[in-house]
Amino acid sequence: EAGVVQSPRYKIIEKKQPVAFWCNPISGHNTLYWYLQNLGQGPELLIRYENEEAVDDSQLPKDRFSAERLKGVDSTLKIQPAELGDSAVYLCASSPGLVSGELFFGEGSRLTVL
Amino acid sequence: QKEVEQNSGPLSVPEGAIASLNCTYSDRGSQSFFWYRQYSGKSPELIMFIYSNGDKEDGRFTAQLNKASQYVSLLIRDSQPSDSATYLCAVISSGGADGLTFGKGTHLIIQP
Repeated sequence: EAGVVQSPRYKIIEKKQPVAFWCNPISGHNTLYWYLQNLGQGPELLIRYENEEAVDDSQLPKDRFSAERLKGVDSTLKIQPAELGDSAVYLCASSPGLVSGELFFGEGSRLTVL
Repeated sequence: QKEVEQNSGPLSVPEGAIASLNCTYSDRGSQSFFWYRQYSGKSPELIMFIYSNGDKEDGRFTAQLNKASQYVSLLIRDSQPSDSATYLCAVISSGGADGLTFGKGTHLIIQP
């Protein structure tokens, strides 16, 4: 069974440039998460989807971050414009249910903003 | 703000000894508790979950939950160098509406 697939694995951009991350969850997993993880910190939730509906986006900085999950499968997280403080690992995860704590993570997308 | 607290470490344990990792949480209504392991440069992976007070054992791992004290722990028996990683405690708060909240993690080092 394929796991959660993310791309790109690494991205280096200059500040004020846009960047987008893509995630393909495990087949059959209706719930999809985007987390941000800084070095030495735990993952912090940015947005949580149930199918195509964003059920929790309270921590998403909506002035520069946006996300979508078309057709309730793949998802894209976009940052525009990127700031120096956005340098982090962006983790996508999926789970079989909305209240499940059993998350399956992708390998992450490491963003460096110069 | 629901919080999950862990000592960031590093926690250094000799090979073969018992490693004890601790976590406290602020939401008394929390129902479900999880331990994730994260190797350096890798993503978190689930290793244990516990829902009821008491102990739950899985191989060399034992999760312990005390809801009255709002405390959950993970014991690793016969620690191996391959257990060296960051261990993340995660909690689903009451009702599950807020999803999973992670602690900052404890960095565990098993010394050969």
